[in-house]
Amino acid sequence: AQSVTQLDSQVPVFEEAPVELRCNYSSSVSVYLFWYVQYPNQGLQLLLKYLSGSTLVKGINGFEAEFNKSQTSFHLRKPSVHISDTAEYFCAGLFLKTSYDKVIFGPGTSLSVIP
Amino acid sequence: NAGVTQTPKFRILKIGQSMTLQCAQDMNHNYMYWYRQDPGMGLKLIYYSVGAGITDKGEVPNGYNVSRSTTEDFPLRLELAAPSQTSVYFCASSYQTGDGYTFGSGTRLTVV
Repeated sequence: AQSVTQLDSQVPVFEEAPVELRCNYSSSVSVYLFWYVQYPNQGLQLLLKYLSGSTLVKGINGFEAEFNKSQTSFHLRKPSVHISDTAEYFCAGLFLKTSYDKVIFGPGTSLSVIP
Repeated sequence: NAGVTQTPKFRILKIGQSMTLQCAQDMNHNYMYWYRQDPGMGLKLIYYSVGAGITDKGEVPNGYNVSRSTTEDFPLRLELAAPSQTSVYFCASSYQTGDGYTFGSGTRLTVV
């Protein structure tokens, strides 16, 4: 069965400090991976995606993520966070060749940036 | 460029009432989706469509219906509202598999 796990439900971090939000997946089929951000009372916005090729993917707002097949992980990182990065972050996997190309979202990680 | 537009933004329903959540996109996307978001649960797929006239069930379709008569519109129908349908509903679209989704701003529904 396919799944996406985000072990950290809440991550507090001081402004200008680095942050890593963890995402792990389980799959017996090929997978595309995504990170989305949701600001309060808004829909989700795509931060970055990994389809194939280079395992280090750069996205918007200075975020990057690294695909690690052996560890089945796709952790999101930013070297220096800003107050404006306070939001909910969702990891998602698109599992190919299932009954349909099925996207599964993780439960989300709430990032709080402390001034 | 409007993207994905959802209406209404908020709605309170009484148990047993029905309503339609509207979703429209102006990007000529083939794929459209309805998700519900409950606290701590991520997003769960209700229904999806791969093109006009084609719809199929997702993970949590019970209590909902959809139609897709045009590429642009993908309304979600709740026939007999129940408290368990209290949630935030998001419509999303994509051009093809592997593209990220474009989400609407959501509809917050409360059933009392």
